[in-house]
Amino acid sequence: AQSVTQLGSHVSVSEGALVLLRCNYSSSVPPYLFWYVQYPNQGLQLLLKYTSAATLVKGINGFEAEFKKSETSFHLTKPSAHMSDAAEYFCAVSDHRGSQGNLIFGKGTKLSVKP
Amino acid sequence: GAVVSQHPSWVICKSGTSVKIECRSLDFQATTMFWYRQFPKQSLMLMATSNEGSKATYEQGVEKDKFLINHASLTLSTLTVTSAHPEDSSFYICSASPSGRKNNEQFFGPGTRLTVL
Repeated sequence: AQSVTQLGSHVSVSEGALVLLRCNYSSSVPPYLFWYVQYPNQGLQLLLKYTSAATLVKGINGFEAEFKKSETSFHLTKPSAHMSDAAEYFCAVSDHRGSQGNLIFGKGTKLSVKP
Repeated sequence: GAVVSQHPSWVICKSGTSVKIECRSLDFQATTMFWYRQFPKQSLMLMATSNEGSKATYEQGVEKDKFLINHASLTLSTLTVTSAHPEDSSFYICSASPSGRKNNEQFFGPGTRLTVL
């Protein structure tokens, strides 16, 4: 069985500061990993994904994440936070059901950005 | 590309009535679509996997007779909440996975807010 743990349900940073959102996964097979962002009352938007290629993945809006197998982690970072980054962020792992695996989500981390 | 729409975006209904939510992939075909439910300040929980032309696969604990799923075409899946009750009030989100892709990527709709009075 696969699972995702997001450490910290709420992270607050100042504008311009480093953003670090933590995600650890558990998987018995090489995982596909995803980070999604959700703005209030909206669906999810894909930030980036890891699908067994480069371990450092760059996504949209300046975000990136590094897959570390030894640490079973896929933390999301951004060098400099912007006010528009305030949102809920979800880490997800795919369970590889055939070619159309469903996603297992973490509980989410709400990011607040202070001016 | 890869846009998924949901209709309606929000709906308010009386207890005991049925509500249908549509999920459409606008610019791609999706053999598989997924339906999620999200309670306030919580994560998305997969309800069911909808496969075009066949029966949906429901997750444990999800009543298939209450949450009817139909995936009649490669671009449309519908979720019908039958005999809705206040506890069914939630944010329902669908996603679609483009046919033929093997990286398990899903594209999400904007969600439907259901409020049952």
